[in-house]
Amino acid sequence: DSGVTQTPKHLITATGQRVTLRCSPRSGDLSVYWYQQSLDQGLQFLIQYYNGEERAKGNILERFSAQQFPDLHSELNLSSLELGDSALYFCASSPDKGTSRYTDTQYFGPGTRLTVL
Amino acid sequence: QQQVKQSPQSLIVQKGGIPIINCAYENTAFDYFPWYQQFPGKGPALLIAIRPDVSEKKEGRFTISFNKSAKQFSLHIMDSQPGDSATYFCAASKGYQKVTFGTGTKLQVIP
Repeated sequence: DSGVTQTPKHLITATGQRVTLRCSPRSGDLSVYWYQQSLDQGLQFLIQYYNGEERAKGNILERFSAQQFPDLHSELNLSSLELGDSALYFCASSPDKGTSRYTDTQYFGPGTRLTVL
Repeated sequence: QQQVKQSPQSLIVQKGGIPIINCAYENTAFDYFPWYQQFPGKGPALLIAIRPDVSEKKEGRFTISFNKSAKQFSLHIMDSQPGDSATYFCAASKGYQKVTFGTGTKLQVIP
């Protein structure tokens, strides 16, 4: 158990809908990362938040947005869903105390499986 | 520049064999090279990681070999077991920049 929790575990919805995925990082971790994993694309970095602010952006579509709240939990919002958005969405967290020049280890949650019908 | 190329895509070995997974990168600024292990239905979990100031790191049956001049690194699994059957991802990053993952290698260890 990594200490990162994600809800819901599974989500089935229809095209055009909007969903929200939730992530609670490990206690004390300041950074939260979101990844999309589909069968043919591997792990794709979407976005990173550090202590409430966006720090890095990857291949995130304009239909997707995220935020990190004062209690450090994060939400990933996916709107105008398409069939191709069906995937596993992972959240990861890291301590990222800012004291080391090296990247901190990322701890992944169990993921949310999104199915768009 | 940010790509990490991983091979092979899949690998089947007999129990006790030594599977080797290779990764290559372009960005010489990368300074952290982790390997993640992912079992079906689970999130990736850090297996072992190396910094560019060492050429090899061992943790139990897992070894990373790092060749800075060739910009390559590899994962060796000694005495592989059926329980090692999983997908393995190499990754690379620089400082606090986003981690770039390889495309993954699906390993199957046959009893």
